[in-house]
This record gives sequence, C-alpha cells and structure tokens, in this order.
Amino acid sequence: GAGVSQSPRYKVAKRGQDVALRCDPISGHVSLFWYQQALGQGPEFLTYFQNEAQLDKSGLPSDRFFAERPEGSVSTLKIQRTQQEDSAVYLCASSSTQGENQPQHFGDGTRLSIL
Amino acid sequence: GDSVTQMEGPVTLSEEAFLTINCTYTATGYPSLFWYVQYPGEGLQLLLKATKADDKGSNKGFEATYRKETTSFHLEKGSVQVSDSAVYFCALRTGGFKTIFGAGTRLFVKA
Repeated sequence: GAGVSQSPRYKVAKRGQDVALRCDPISGHVSLFWYQQALGQGPEFLTYFQNEAQLDKSGLPSDRFFAERPEGSVSTLKIQRTQQEDSAVYLCASSSTQGENQPQHFGDGTRLSIL
Repeated sequence: GDSVTQMEGPVTLSEEAFLTINCTYTATGYPSLFWYVQYPGEGLQLLLKATKADDKGSNKGFEATYRKETTSFHLEKGSVQVSDSAVYFCALRTGGFKTIFGAGTRLFVKA
C-alpha cells in the first residue's frame, strides 16, 4: 500500500534482549518521526529525521535507544538491553516536506512487550 | 514546557447526540493545533488542524476553533454516529517539528 508501514506488528522480547523496529515511510517523504505510546496515553516524541539527518533526538529516554535512517528512506529504531518499562507501542510517522504544518501520516505501530 | 490537556474519558453518547471534547494547551510562541483520531485497530489519522488564532478546522462534520484568548481547541460535532467511536487526541506543534499530544479521549457512541 501507499501508507507508512511498520514491522513487526508485535514483538515480544525477554528483558535484556536487543530489539530492532522497522519503519518504511511513504515514498518520497522527507520527514520521519518516531513516537512511543504507553498504554492509555498519547504518543510521546522520540526523534525526528529530515532525510538521513537526525535533527532532534531529545525524546529518546536513554542511551539504550538508537535510531537511524542511513539512506533517507527506511528507518530503524533499536533498543538495547530492553527493560520492562520499554513496553509500549512504537509509532512511526512521515510527512512530505519539512514544513512544520505538513500533516504527519502514521503507521499502525509496533507493539513491544518486554517480559 | 509545552503541554496539552484534554478531558478524560471515556465519553459515552447516544447516536445523534452533540459531542464536545475539551482541549486546552500551554505553549510558548504560536503553535499549530491538531486533532487526530484513532479508530479501533487502526493507526492515528489527522482529523483536522488550525494554524493560527481564530482559524476553524473542520472535517467529517467535526469542527474545532483555535482560541488564543482561552488557549483552547475544543472538538465538536453536532450529531455523532456509531462509526465515530474512537480515541481522539488533541496535539500541538510549535516552532520545531516535535508534536505534543494529549492523553486521548475515548468516545463510545451507542446505537
């Protein structure tokens, strides 16, 4: 389809394992965002890319979280040494230009459960 | 820091009732304001937006007016349908690209 695609849809990992979450933005979209959504809460900003440049990573909760977008399209969010508090839905969004009023198109998210 | 506060849910209404979901914000500068909707099993979708004071955003019968004097962006619909059952998120974006979301309000509409 033409929307933002995230994989896997669900991920279960044991505490201490590393995980990698993938986001395929809409083709040609310059801006890409990652959010973390805890149960019953709104999404919280993690990081923002403009093409391959990570312009804002102020929302990453710790140095265990790392995101990349090496070729300016697909992005990966990696979480090392996972903890139970990392359990959440991770949302990816993209927008067509760098204009701040451009709408963000969201994927369906990856639901991460840490046991 | 910037923040969004919206009314707690769930909100339960009968079909054809009038809907209001309150949203107030705190922001430095002049934010753009958004309402997003999340239908069951689906991702977030932009419902409507307003980029400056007194602007009215509208879509699918929903409306919200950017009120700078009361720092509010309340969502309204004159006659809700069962298909409007979803979670609604108020959000703001200021000079950067970070979008700040409220906690969401779940709406149930009964037939």
